[in-house]
Amino acid sequence: DAGVTQSPTHLIKTRGQQVTLRCSPKSGHDTVSWYQQALGQGPQFIFQYYEEEERQRGNFPDRFSGHQFPNYSSELNVNALLLGDSALYLCASIRDRGDGYTFGSGTRLTVV
Amino acid sequence: AQSVAQPEDQVNVAEGNPLTVKCTYSVSGNPYLFWYVQYPNRGLQFLLKYITGDNLVKGSYGFEAEFNKSQTSFHLKKPSALVSDSALYFCAVSEASGGSYIPTFGRGTSLIVHP
Repeated sequence: DAGVTQSPTHLIKTRGQQVTLRCSPKSGHDTVSWYQQALGQGPQFIFQYYEEEERQRGNFPDRFSGHQFPNYSSELNVNALLLGDSALYLCASIRDRGDGYTFGSGTRLTVV
Repeated sequence: AQSVAQPEDQVNVAEGNPLTVKCTYSVSGNPYLFWYVQYPNRGLQFLLKYITGDNLVKGSYGFEAEFNKSQTSFHLKKPSALVSDSALYFCAVSEASGGSYIPTFGRGTSLIVHP
């Protein structure tokens, strides 16, 4: 049973560019959350998608946007990249409220 | 607002000794509590959760955690540490009902098990 799949695994972008990260949730999971994990920090919640809509959003600027497709896969888009956007971006999926998240291995984004 | 505190940045323990990684939380109402482990350059792996019921929760790889409502704590424990347990450990909390059920994570505790 495949877990959460994220692509790409690593990415280097220049300041001001735009980036799209992709996520396929675990089979049977319909809810996808995105987290940003800076070096030495815990994951910070960006937003969550359910039924193709953004259900909840963390304290991130509008430069961060997302999408969920009918097959529950999801994208995270970041516009006008800043050096401070360099981090590990984690996708996590879940089925029920009391379940533990299943995390992907993440996308390491480096902005230069 | 919900929050998690992991007071120790690093915990050192000798192989074979018991280990404890501390976590305290703050949440409105009843909590859902979780522990995750992260190995270098990997995502987080779910270890165990407390939803309701028995205060001692058993999870993967021999780990367990004790929920203490009066102390708002959820410490992770293992009777006998292995070198392979060395990793980064995160505690997380969410609300059991109403409001947000998005987990809030702590800053993490680096566990180092010495041979």
